[in-house]
Amino acid sequence: GENVEQHPSTLSVQEGDSAVIKCTYSDSASNYFPWYKQELGKRPQLIIDIRSNVGEKKDQRIAVTLNKTAKHFSLHITETQPEDSAVYFCAASIGQGAQKLVFGQGTRLTINP
Amino acid sequence: NAGVTQTPKFQVLKTGQSMTLQCAQDMNHNSMYWYRQDPGMGLRLIYYSASEGTTDKGEVPNGYNVSRLNKREFSLRLESAAPSQTSVYFCASRLSGNTIYFGEGSWLTVV
Repeated sequence: GENVEQHPSTLSVQEGDSAVIKCTYSDSASNYFPWYKQELGKRPQLIIDIRSNVGEKKDQRIAVTLNKTAKHFSLHITETQPEDSAVYFCAASIGQGAQKLVFGQGTRLTINP
Repeated sequence: NAGVTQTPKFQVLKTGQSMTLQCAQDMNHNSMYWYRQDPGMGLRLIYYSASEGTTDKGEVPNGYNVSRLNKREFSLRLESAAPSQTSVYFCASRLSGNTIYFGEGSWLTVV
């Protein structure tokens, strides 16, 4: 099948702690893995992405790791802040030409002050 | 650059009515997509168009039709709306292999 599984569905962490969200995918041809942040009533916005020829990518407090063998990738947010509270979605490109972008079910992240 | 523009932003339909959601992008992207997002759920792909002149089904195509009118525009049509189609609809576009950009969303209620 062509699906993306995301865990956990909800995550609550103390401000300043780290948060980790994990996704698995089924299509071995997938080659592009973005992460999106969505605030209430808004559109999803890209926060970081990684391609299949790279194992890790960082952008300030955000990092993504990819394990192609195990078909899973993870989002790491360090030194969390209240403004990190949102719903986060992972996605993977699948199908012929990897043109389809299929999303995980989302993780509601709450940062407690 | 307006990015991805979709209309209308809000719509209420009666069961059985038809309507078309319009989407246009000014980024010269090849691929365009329609997703739906139900409360507390992820984004599910309805249809996509990898390039002008082609369209393909996504995860939940039943009850919808699409038209890739030209490179800029990709419309989504509900021929006979049902309450199960109450959702937020997002149009998106993408240059092959790169980031996908979303429109602001269309809130559709079918009563």
